[in-house]
Amino acid sequence: DIQMTQSPSTLSASIGDRVTITCRASHSITTWLAWYQQKPGKAPQLLIYKASTLQNGVPSRFSGSGSGTEFTLTIAGLQPDDFATYYCQPYDTHSHTFTFGQGTKLEI
Amino acid sequence: QVQLVQSGAEVRMPGSSVKVSCRASGGTFGAYAINWVRQAPGRGLEWMGGIIPLIKTANPAQKFQGRVSITADASTGTSYMELKSLNAEDTALYYCATEPPMSYHFDGWGLGTLVTVSS
Repeated sequence: DIQMTQSPSTLSASIGDRVTITCRASHSITTWLAWYQQKPGKAPQLLIYKASTLQNGVPSRFSGSGSGTEFTLTIAGLQPDDFATYYCQPYDTHSHTFTFGQGTKLEI
Repeated sequence: QVQLVQSGAEVRMPGSSVKVSCRASGGTFGAYAINWVRQAPGRGLEWMGGIIPLIKTANPAQKFQGRVSITADASTGTSYMELKSLNAEDTALYYCATEPPMSYHFDGWGLGTLVTVSS
C-alpha cells in the first residue's frame, strides 16, 4: 500500500497569511489526491480533488497542486473559518486502496 | 450528492462484534461507491474499505481483512460495516462516505457513529 507523509503536523499562522501544506507519496499516484478540512466534532469536508480541482462551494483562496509523488495545499489569505485540521488522501491505482495523511492542524 | 444517515452510537464488550448502517436519504446510492472511514479519539482518519453497491464488490483495507465485512443493498440504499473481534483500540467514530464513480475522492460524509469498546 502507499505511504503518505504529510507535513507539517502543526502550523501556526495569522489571519491573512498564506500557508502551504505538503504531502509526499511513497510512489507515484499521478494526480489521484484529495484534500479535506475537518473541524472539531464535525465530519471531514472535501476541498480539492484530482490534486487541483476545487470542489463546488469551496472558496477560491484554497488551491492544490502537484502530481506524481509531491502535492501541496495552499490557502491564500487565511480567514478565521480556516483554522482546522487538513488531511490529504491519495488513491493507489495499483492496490485500489485509499489512505490518509497524518493531518495538519492549522492554528492561530 | 447523496445524503447519508448513519445508525446510532453503540457500546460493545471486547471480543464482540458491531454492525453500523449507512442509509442514503434519497433512497438509493445510484452509481456511487460507499467507503468507511474511522477516527479514534484525538487521532487521524483511517480508511477501512469500500463497496460499490450496484455490483456488491467490496474492497477492505489490508489492515482489516478478515475482521471487517462491508456490504450493501442497492435496492434499499443501505450499506453496512461489521467489525468483529473488537478491542479497546477499535473505539472510534465510524463514518461512511460517498465516492462518485471513478473519481477516487469522497464528496459526502455521514455524521459518524460512535462505537465504544469497553468491559
